[in-house]
Amino acid sequence: DGGITQSPKYLFRKEGQNVTLSCEQNLNHDAMYWYRQDPGQGLRLIYYSQIVNDFQKGDIAEGYSVSREKKESFPLTVTSAQKNPTAFYLCASSMTGVNEQFFGPGTRLTVL
Amino acid sequence: GENVEQHPSTLSVQEGDSAVIKCTYSDSASNYFPWYKQELGKRPQLIIDIRSNVGEKKDQRIAVTLNKTAKHFSLHITETQPEDSAVYFCAARPDGGATNKLIFGTGTLLAVQP
Repeated sequence: DGGITQSPKYLFRKEGQNVTLSCEQNLNHDAMYWYRQDPGQGLRLIYYSQIVNDFQKGDIAEGYSVSREKKESFPLTVTSAQKNPTAFYLCASSMTGVNEQFFGPGTRLTVL
Repeated sequence: GENVEQHPSTLSVQEGDSAVIKCTYSDSASNYFPWYKQELGKRPQLIIDIRSNVGEKKDQRIAVTLNKTAKHFSLHITETQPEDSAVYFCAARPDGGATNKLIFGTGTLLAVQP
């Protein structure tokens, strides 16, 4: 299970505030992903990046932003424009051309 | 758009019985189909996967079958044990693999009753 970490484990945010979730991997993986998990809705792709300094929107990118300045890091910012941000957020990574995605332990975000 | 449907949403079986979870996908160019297991409070972990050039793959008590014509794939767990209780997600890689992204199903909560 080691190699991809997320912090913090729990995060509380007031309405109107931006918050950044951390994702780091030491697996030398080229691709990284952010998913949102809600009960009964599975894993929905927010953003993904196949290479440093490049990323693409997933199915539910509105209200989120990312950066990929380093291969090891893919932080996700949940902005005040995201209307319903309370959810469990999972980061994953994979090698290009190798299909398995490895997941981090997740961050549970609660908006108060 | 790309979509993966998964059924049933919940499944309860007696220990020792078999369990089957079914998924269908919309993009006929999909070429990779993994299954993930997520125990309560933990991260999803890959348990088995299949590529589009194979019809069936087995690993001990779990197996996956793929019907490309029907755009349908299934997970089979035999001789279920209480530790198999978890949420199972199917996924498909669309676009013929042009990107590495996966489209996930909505999950199946499997409960194995001792």
